[in-house]
Amino acid sequence: GAVVSQHPSRVICKSGTSVKIECRSLDFQATTMFWYRQFPKQSLMLMATSNEGSKATYEQGVEKDKFLINHASLTLSTLTVTSAHPEDSSFYICSATDDTEAFFGQGTRLTVV
Amino acid sequence: KNEVEQSPQNLTAQEGEFITINCSYSVGISALHWLQQHPGGGIVSLFMLSSGKKKHGRLIATINIQEKHSSLHITASHPRDSAVYICAPKGSGSRLTFGEGTQLTVNP
Repeated sequence: GAVVSQHPSRVICKSGTSVKIECRSLDFQATTMFWYRQFPKQSLMLMATSNEGSKATYEQGVEKDKFLINHASLTLSTLTVTSAHPEDSSFYICSATDDTEAFFGQGTRLTVV
Repeated sequence: KNEVEQSPQNLTAQEGEFITINCSYSVGISALHWLQQHPGGGIVSLFMLSSGKKKHGRLIATINIQEKHSSLHITASHPRDSAVYICAPKGSGSRLTFGEGTQLTVNP
């Protein structure tokens, strides 16, 4: 099956620094990529939808200047958490679709100290 | 009322038991995913179906579009099936709506 690779799987950073998370579709071209956030014992919360070459569409309540999304090619999208704070600590997961199925990355556990 | 309702929220079974997880949704959909999330967090799409029934090994998924209901069945359950199972209807633009998930624990 199709593979979506997400890196890093875990990251610990200091408060005030920025963290970049990469999401790559390895064997297909992803027309759309989704970024989700998940708190413990809760379901996935959609943060934004990105299409290659265009600006991401952010969900209500998600700060676009805080969570920068770049979808530079059909196989790569990045999420940058800028000026991270402890409340940004969470599990972030991407999903890529070729308009037929959805494939998920392994997720990134972000801890801001 | 949530757009996607899953039941049960938690399920504990003995190895070998037949398991059913139900999903009802109120949104219009083009298809529905059943996802599996292991404790490490990674998510795997088990099925995507838009009608009828699909089977992969010990897993069976069914959907009734008219009744807006889907079920996931696991036959001969095994401890390695322990995970969170999530129902995710797919609406317009490939966007998924997620159920709260069912935590399944299969004891040996």
